[in-house]
Parts: sequence; structure tokens; C-alpha cells
Amino acid sequence: EAQVTQNPRYLITVTGKKLTVTCSQNMNHEYMSWYRQDPGLGLRQIYYSMNVEVTDKGDVPEGYKVSRKEKRNFPLILESPSPNQTSLYFCASLPRGRVAEKLFFGSGTQLSVL
Amino acid sequence: DAKTTQPNSMESNEEEPVHLPCNHSTISGTDYIHWYRQLPSQGPEYVIHGLTSNVNNRMASLAIAEDRKSSTLILHRATLRDAAVYYCILSNAGNNRKLIWGLGTSLAVNP
Repeated sequence: EAQVTQNPRYLITVTGKKLTVTCSQNMNHEYMSWYRQDPGLGLRQIYYSMNVEVTDKGDVPEGYKVSRKEKRNFPLILESPSPNQTSLYFCASLPRGRVAEKLFFGSGTQLSVL
Repeated sequence: DAKTTQPNSMESNEEEPVHLPCNHSTISGTDYIHWYRQLPSQGPEYVIHGLTSNVNNRMASLAIAEDRKSSTLILHRATLRDAAVYYCILSNAGNNRKLIWGLGTSLAVNP
């Protein structure tokens, strides 16, 4: 089954403790992206990757890092989480060159930073 | 970046058609119109997309105004499972594949 898998589904952590949210897709998609969703603000793009070893900032990249060492995986790294990073996070993927193709989203990771 | 405007919420009755409007007056000629929906506690899922012509698929229909400044998502017979937030989004042809997400329309379906 074609899917984007995020882990964990829920995460509670404390300020300053490094964490990684994993994202994996099994569709051989070149493009992957991370979003955060906050009440009243909608979905905002954090980082995206056009292909392996190619990443770039989205609209709200501060406090986040990503890496794309292989096509299927696109982890989101919070080196020193802060309470304002408490949010619902989604990973998404898209085939190469298909601007009008549908995005596939993961089920989300609800992060709480205390 | 072109933006979209949608009503905050709408209500429908089960098995009746639903017309969800979207305004995108600053759309450019190469912007595609996408609709996604987000069910409670899930990630967004694709519904339909189009450029200029009306589009139909098994989930819905997309009616695009002739001047492309507005569009309407049509659910032909609403079911309780269609209760969700519906997002009308524009995508550009640039390298980012960026989608500009608004707050969407929260659709309630009454039994």
C-alpha cells in the first residue's frame, strides 16, 4: 500500500532535549516536505526536499533541521525544542516534476514540548 | 503568492449536494487549483485538482469559473464521513511545489 509513515504519533518532551521525528515513504517520490499545523494558522511549510541531498527552507524553518540521505526517508530534527514548537506535524511526499499531482500525507505527529 | 478565501464553516444534510466555494482572485495563469480535505485526527488527503476545465472524479466535482478567479467543490451526496475541513489551495509551477494553505472550510453533515 502506498503510504507515508511518520513516527512517533504522539511525543511529549521537555525543553532542550533533542528529538527526531521520522518520515518514510514507499512510493519512490523525489519530493518530500514537512509542515506544522497550528490552530488559526493552518498548515505552514517547514522544510522541503526536491531529491536526495537537496533540501531547502520553507516558511517557518527556525529551530528545525532536516536531512535527506536516501530517497525514502526525510527526518525532522529539533536540536533544542522549545514550547513554541508544540504543534501537529505532517510529512508529505510528491512524485518528481508533478506539480499538479497529489500530495501524500502522513498521519501526523502531535508534539508537546514542556 | 496567490491566496484563497473560503467560508469558515458550512453545514449540510446527509445525502444532499454540497457546494463549497473558494475565491482566488489573484490566481496566475499557471496556478493549479487543488482541493484537499482533513478528517479529524488525520493528515490531509487529496480530493481533486484542475487548471481551467471542470473536473470530475469518484469523490467530487470541481467547477472552475471562466475567469478562474473562483471555483466550487461539489460533493454530490454528502455522507457523515464527508464531515471534514476542506482546503482550497493553489500550487505554482516553481521548484518548491509549494501549496499555500488557508484555514479551509469546516463542513458539518447532519444526519
